[in-house]
Amino acid sequence: ETGVTQSPTHLIKTRGQQVTLRCSSQSGHNTVSWYQQALGQGPQFIFQYYREEENGRGNFPPRFSGLQFPNYSSELNVNALELDDSALYLCASSLGTLSSYEQYFGPGTRLTVT
Amino acid sequence: AQSVAQPEDQVNVAEGNPLTVKCTYSVSGNPYLFWYVQYPNRGLQFLLKYITGDNLVKGSYGFEAEFNKSQTSFHLKKPSALVSDSALYFCAVRDKGGSYIPTFGRGTSLIVHP
Repeated sequence: ETGVTQSPTHLIKTRGQQVTLRCSSQSGHNTVSWYQQALGQGPQFIFQYYREEENGRGNFPPRFSGLQFPNYSSELNVNALELDDSALYLCASSLGTLSSYEQYFGPGTRLTVT
Repeated sequence: AQSVAQPEDQVNVAEGNPLTVKCTYSVSGNPYLFWYVQYPNRGLQFLLKYITGDNLVKGSYGFEAEFNKSQTSFHLKKPSALVSDSALYFCAVRDKGGSYIPTFGRGTSLIVHP
């Protein structure tokens, strides 16, 4: 088990609604990344936060946004939910932004959009 | 653009036999390569990584992987499989000199039969 926690575990929302997912990073880790994992697929990179600033983004629209707090915990916000947003959302922390660093993943939040 | 291919959706092996889970990659520069494992209803767990140096990398739980630059491969191996190794395995790549954004493969389901 890693020290990364996520909440909630499961969530059901209606199309058009907004959702906030939360992540607490492993102790000593200042970098948090968020991923979307659709059923049967590998994780897709959404964005990364380092010292409270977004410092990289994957191919996701602006309705996916995030925050990182001074204690390095993080939030993922998704506005105007679409059916295709149904997925497992994973948070991962690392020691820093170097590409050589491995990531430590939380258990994920399963989002279902109906 | 970088990519990862895991050509087998599923690998079946008998307990005690050696196992191999295949991964090939494509990056414009030199790669950092990672293997992660995902158990049901859990996040990804780091197994091992190749950064530089010895082409044979040893990781957690008796797993190892061999980096082959000419074949652009990074296959995961274990000399003797356990039933408890049954899980979903993901290979990931980052470009050492380019974007730090990781690309994950689609995953390979490993089933170890008693």
